Amino acid sequence: EAQVTQNPRYLITVTGKKLTVTCSQNMNHEYMSWYRQDPGLGLRQIYYSMNVEVTDKGDVPEGYKVSRKEKRNFPLILESPSPNQTSLYFCASSSDRVGEKLFFGSGTQLSVL
Amino acid sequence: DAKTTQPTSMDCAEGRAANLPCNHSTISGNEYVYWYRQIHSQGPQYIIHGLKNNETNEMASLIITEDRKSSTLILPHATLRDTAVYYCIVRVAGLSGSARQLTFGSGTQLTVLP
Repeated sequence: EAQVTQNPRYLITVTGKKLTVTCSQNMNHEYMSWYRQDPGLGLRQIYYSMNVEVTDKGDVPEGYKVSRKEKRNFPLILESPSPNQTSLYFCASSSDRVGEKLFFGSGTQLSVL
Repeated sequence: DAKTTQPTSMDCAEGRAANLPCNHSTISGNEYVYWYRQIHSQGPQYIIHGLKNNETNEMASLIITEDRKSSTLILPHATLRDTAVYYCIVRVAGLSGSARQLTFGSGTQLTVLP
């Protein structure tokens, strides 16, 4: 089944403790992206990648890192999480290079205490 | 990218057609209209997109007015599972020099009533 898989689904952590949210897609898509969703602010893009080793900032990249060493994986790294990064995170991929028809993962609810 | 305006919420009876409007009066000639939906706390789901001609797929139909300043997403026979937030997004298609993100606004909360 074609899908975008994120792990974990729920994560509670403490300020400053490095964490990684994994994202994997099995559709051989070139484009991948991370979004965060907050009440009243909608979905905002954090980072995107148009291909392996090609990443770029979205609207809210501060406090996040990404890497794209393989086509299928696009992990989101929070080196030193803070409470304002408490949010619902979504990974997405697209078969086109500019992310027009996005397939989203199920989301990761992150709470930073 | 052109800004879109959608009603905050709508109700529809199960089995009836759901017609979701979207205004995009400042749309330019190379901007497409995209529709996504998000069922509570799940990842958004792509529905359909179009430029100027009406489009139909297995999920919905997209009707774009001749002047392209507004569009309507039609779910022909709404079911309870269609209850979701529906997002209308306008965006330039293709590379255009950079990968342009899809900007999700507030959308329309569609509630399908039994």
